[in-house]
Amino acid sequence: VQLVESGGGLVKPGGSLRLSCAASGFIFSSFNMNWVRQAPGKGLEWVSSISSRSTDVHYADSVKGRFTISRDDAENSVYLQMNSLRAEDTAVYYCASGIRERPGGAMDVWGQGTTITVSS
Amino acid sequence: QSVLTQPPSASGTPGQRVTISCSGSSSNIGNNTVNWYQQIPGTAPKFLIYINDHRASGVSDRFSGSKSGTSASLAISGLQSEDEAAYYCAVWDDSLNGVLFGGGTKLTVL
Repeated sequence: VQLVESGGGLVKPGGSLRLSCAASGFIFSSFNMNWVRQAPGKGLEWVSSISSRSTDVHYADSVKGRFTISRDDAENSVYLQMNSLRAEDTAVYYCASGIRERPGGAMDVWGQGTTITVSS
Repeated sequence: QSVLTQPPSASGTPGQRVTISCSGSSSNIGNNTVNWYQQIPGTAPKFLIYINDHRASGVSDRFSGSKSGTSASLAISGLQSEDEAAYYCAVWDDSLNGVLFGGGTKLTVL
């Protein structure tokens, strides 16, 4: 059972990035998926969730209108398209799988994280 | 405003029992189930407790969770040095329509 994130890096304010998370070892299509971030020296902050079959998507107010979550069950992958990036988006971004079809805060498998730095 | 409040720090000596609280409101803890995570510095969070008091697979029975009204607690018995970590509560919030994490509690084993 594994989640592997990719796509992190250094980006200028106002720029865009697309994070990917590849899942293996479990029935990906059956579970909700989440993105959670952690700014340097800070706590965990939920970013976005998507239910199984993509029926529901949810976003934190801090990213609503700028970030888009999506999933491809054929590829066992979830994505986070991040636009209009700001300095305050600088963080380690974790992909995490939920334990049910719909999100609810329970995330049993976590990736290793990918770092986003937004700076000029 | 939807907030989950945790004490910023907690401590105990080896063998002791410590509890970490998580205080919320009717829109989150009062109406949904609570989850707990452990994060050792430099590593990804680890799933500990779900549905208030269910231990995740492979989690030691020294860890237990409880919920009452709009508050929840994580208890760690027989404290060990390896328990030194940050602990976070997390719950769905009906007002935010999203997941709420507590601010985290840094546990120090003295």
